[in-house]
Amino acid sequence: DTGVSQDPRHKITKRGQNVTFRCDPISEHNRLYWYRQTLGQGPEFLTYFQNEAQLEKSRLLSDRFSAERPKGSFSTLEIQRTEQGDSAMYLCASGETQRDSNTGELFFGEGSRLTVL
Amino acid sequence: KNEVEQSPQNLTAQEGEFITINCSYSVGISALHWLQQHPGGGIVSLFMLSSGKKKHGRLIATINIQEKHSSLHITASHPRDSAVYICAVWDFRNYGGSQGNLIFGKGTKLSVKP
Repeated sequence: DTGVSQDPRHKITKRGQNVTFRCDPISEHNRLYWYRQTLGQGPEFLTYFQNEAQLEKSRLLSDRFSAERPKGSFSTLEIQRTEQGDSAMYLCASGETQRDSNTGELFFGEGSRLTVL
Repeated sequence: KNEVEQSPQNLTAQEGEFITINCSYSVGISALHWLQQHPGGGIVSLFMLSSGKKKHGRLIATINIQEKHSSLHITASHPRDSAVYICAVWDFRNYGGSQGNLIFGKGTKLSVKP
C-alpha cells in the first residue's frame, strides 16, 4: 500500500500521559499536514511541513504539542501531559508542491483516534 | 459564522435518488476540495476544483467562484454512498500567499436507504 499511513490507529491513555503519533506520507510528497477532528466537526489545521521545515503552526497547537519531520519523510506528533480535551481524531495528509503553488491535491491517512480518560 | 458553510447538515435519501450537497464560503480561495469520510475516520479526496465542473462516475462537482458556492451532486444514489461529505477551501489570508491552509466545513452526513 503506497498511501498515507498513520500509527497507531487508536490510542487510549490516561490524563497526564504523553502520546506520540506517526505519519508516513506518500514517498514523493514534500508537503505534510496535521489536522485534528472532534466529533461532529470538520478537521482543523494544526501544522504544516514542507520537506523537513515546519512552516506553519496553528494557535490550536499549544506548547504541549510538538511535531517533527526530521528527514523530510515521516512525521511525528507528540502530545505531552494529555488532557481530556485532547480526545480527537488526528489526521495526517500529504501532497506534492505544484509548480506555482503550494496548494493541490491532498491525500489523507486513516487517522489516529485518541481517547484520554 | 463559519467561513465554510455546508447544507444540509444531515440528509437521508432513498436508493436511486439524485442528491445535492451545497457549500458556501466567505474567504478568497484558489481551489476547493470535496472529501468523503466513512465511519472510522479515513478521508478520501473526491474532487479538487477551481472553476467550472468536474465529473467522476456518478459524482459531479460544480463551483461558482463569483458566488462563492459549490455543489456536489450524486446521481442514482446507492447505500454505499452513505458517508460524511466535507467541503474544504484553501485560504491564503494569513500565510503570505505561499503555504495556504485548508479550512473545512463541518460536513454533511448522508444516509442512503435501500
